[in-house]
Amino acid sequence: KQEVTQIPAALSVPEGENLVLNCSFTDSAIYNLQWFRQDPGKGLTSLLLIQSSQREQTSGRLNASLDKSSGRSTLYIAASQPGDSATYLCACTGNQFYFGTGTSLTVIP
Amino acid sequence: DVKVTQSSRYLVKRTGEKVFLECVQDMDHENMFWYRQDPGLGLRLIYFSYDVKMKEKGDIPEGYSVSREKKERFSLILESASTNQTSMYLCASTKTRVLSYEQYFGPGTRLTVT
Repeated sequence: KQEVTQIPAALSVPEGENLVLNCSFTDSAIYNLQWFRQDPGKGLTSLLLIQSSQREQTSGRLNASLDKSSGRSTLYIAASQPGDSATYLCACTGNQFYFGTGTSLTVIP
Repeated sequence: DVKVTQSSRYLVKRTGEKVFLECVQDMDHENMFWYRQDPGLGLRLIYFSYDVKMKEKGDIPEGYSVSREKKERFSLILESASTNQTSMYLCASTKTRVLSYEQYFGPGTRLTVT
């Protein structure tokens, strides 16, 4: 069964810093990998979707990369802002969606 | 934009009650999912449906059932609520049965069973 891991579980950074969130998965036979943001008590908001044939996707200050052979994806956030504070989850898709437990990000003003 | 809505943001029910959670999506998506989310355990799939009247068990179906009578609506039913079903419940949908499409989530229902 696919296992998805996100390390660290929590991260605090000062405002303006660039940061990288990590996601690793055990089975490279995936259709895609999706990054989500979740604010406290809310649902998940899709940030980026990388198909298995792609290496990266960009949206504004966010850049997600995918390396299937090593079972890793990263989410790069440039020039972090307090409004980026949230939990970030990754999910990869095989015969169902498999989620990591997330990284809780705090950006300190 | 795809919109996935859930009938309640917060629910408080008593042990033994029958509980209905409803989810509606407005983009003619084929696939719909129910997850529960608990601290330290992440999201766990309860049931999913890839068509009207079709359902498939996920990883933790015990104590739950589902209904999909219309394409846009997917209901999660707790036949006899128990305190260990206190959780955040999240509904999601994707365009087709092929899982290469983006998954869209509703705002969640925080259920407390006392």
